[in-house]
Amino acid sequence: EIVMTQSPATLSVSPGERVTLSCRASQSVSSNLAWYQQRPGQAPRLLIYGASTRATGIPARFSGSGSGTDFTLTIRSLQSEDFALYYCQQYESWPSFGPGTKVEIK
Amino acid sequence: QVQLQESGPGLVRPSETLSLTCIVSGGPMKSYYWSWIRQSPGKGLEWIGYIYNSRSTDYRPSLKSRVSISADTSKNHFSLKLSSVTAVDTAVYYCARAGVSTSSRSLFDHWGQGTLVTVSS
Repeated sequence: EIVMTQSPATLSVSPGERVTLSCRASQSVSSNLAWYQQRPGQAPRLLIYGASTRATGIPARFSGSGSGTDFTLTIRSLQSEDFALYYCQQYESWPSFGPGTKVEIK
Repeated sequence: QVQLQESGPGLVRPSETLSLTCIVSGGPMKSYYWSWIRQSPGKGLEWIGYIYNSRSTDYRPSLKSRVSISADTSKNHFSLKLSSVTAVDTAVYYCARAGVSTSSRSLFDHWGQGTLVTVSS
């Protein structure tokens, strides 16, 4: 199983700031990497797939990059609705998720 | 707009079988991959398995001996059975839709709201 790790576990930021979340795979997943956002009490929502392609309806302030084993999700100018949990997931093989990064209000 | 809704008992006794159903509305089931995913504080998000075209299935290796996923596309639903449950199977269970190709079979673009299943006597 491909093991996904994410850092940091928690990010404390102010609205309007830019944040960068990291995700690492235990082996190469090529560009088969997705990012999800999960708000309290809700299901995960697909944000990014193919490492860098925004899903339908996702604002342009969300961007993804990387390939192989190292990936980043950048949120430009955080809005109030962006404070949430973020997970990366590889779909190169049997799917596996990272443990998540919590973006909280500073 | 595709919507998924899980249903089933919220409490299951240890050693019994957990059974959940996911009703799909707003779009066809045919040609898509349909998965069950669970989330618990201890294990995070964990893929359980998928079904494709009502016949083809694949399961998480560690759960394979206890899991069965079936589908009835005429009724637009698919189901999960997990046998011999223990407390570690306590989780929020989600059903989710993935893509239509093998390369996107595990890319989940639509999710149900999730249902909490507690395993306890």
